[in-house]
Amino acid sequence: DAGVIQSPRHEVTEMGQEVTLRCKPISGHNSLFWYRQTMMRGLELLIYFNNNVPIDDSGMPEDRFSAKMPNASFSTLKIQPSEPRDSAVYFCASAGQGNSPLHFGNGTRLTVT
Amino acid sequence: GDSVTQMEGPVTLSEEAFLTINCTYTATGYPSLFWYVQYPGEGLQLLLKATKADDKGSNKGFEATYRKETTSFHLEKGSVQVSDSAVYFCALSDTGGYNKLIFGAGTRLAVHP
Repeated sequence: DAGVIQSPRHEVTEMGQEVTLRCKPISGHNSLFWYRQTMMRGLELLIYFNNNVPIDDSGMPEDRFSAKMPNASFSTLKIQPSEPRDSAVYFCASAGQGNSPLHFGNGTRLTVT
Repeated sequence: GDSVTQMEGPVTLSEEAFLTINCTYTATGYPSLFWYVQYPGEGLQLLLKATKADDKGSNKGFEATYRKETTSFHLEKGSVQVSDSAVYFCALSDTGGYNKLIFGAGTRLAVHP
């Protein structure tokens, strides 16, 4: 079991650029979550999918943020255009059926200058 | 809505000291409760969980009991080690399904030799 795989681990970009974060969930898991972690706001749930369908995106901060899950083994979180206040660690997590716990990836640390 | 409140950190202890990290929750239904741990540079890992009232979750010497009457899920360990230094998150599962978790703000623990 390779766990949840996120890429890249670190991303440094300039304000205004497009950023794409990637996630491969654990095989067989049918729920996928994107969280953002900052010192000021802690862990915030941005969006989650079930069986590749977005269920709740109310946590997405602005229209600059979008997420897709084209198949059961891949998801992306895109920020366009990026701003310095988007700097944070972004985590992807997946879970199986029933009352199963979330498994987190190691995160992508995004720095927007 | 559902929420989790944790004691503020940092908590600083000497090795072999007793640890308590308080966690209380607000929920409309009967959620499952979790403790996750985050080591530096890593994602969150499940430490223990409890799915119903009076259940005790335990792992690696850590324990927490689901107390419905006090809406609490305090984390305890009888003798901490330097390697326990990390950030600890209390969480509850959203009763709407999909294994969505609502996290507390996290409590940083520092253990000194």
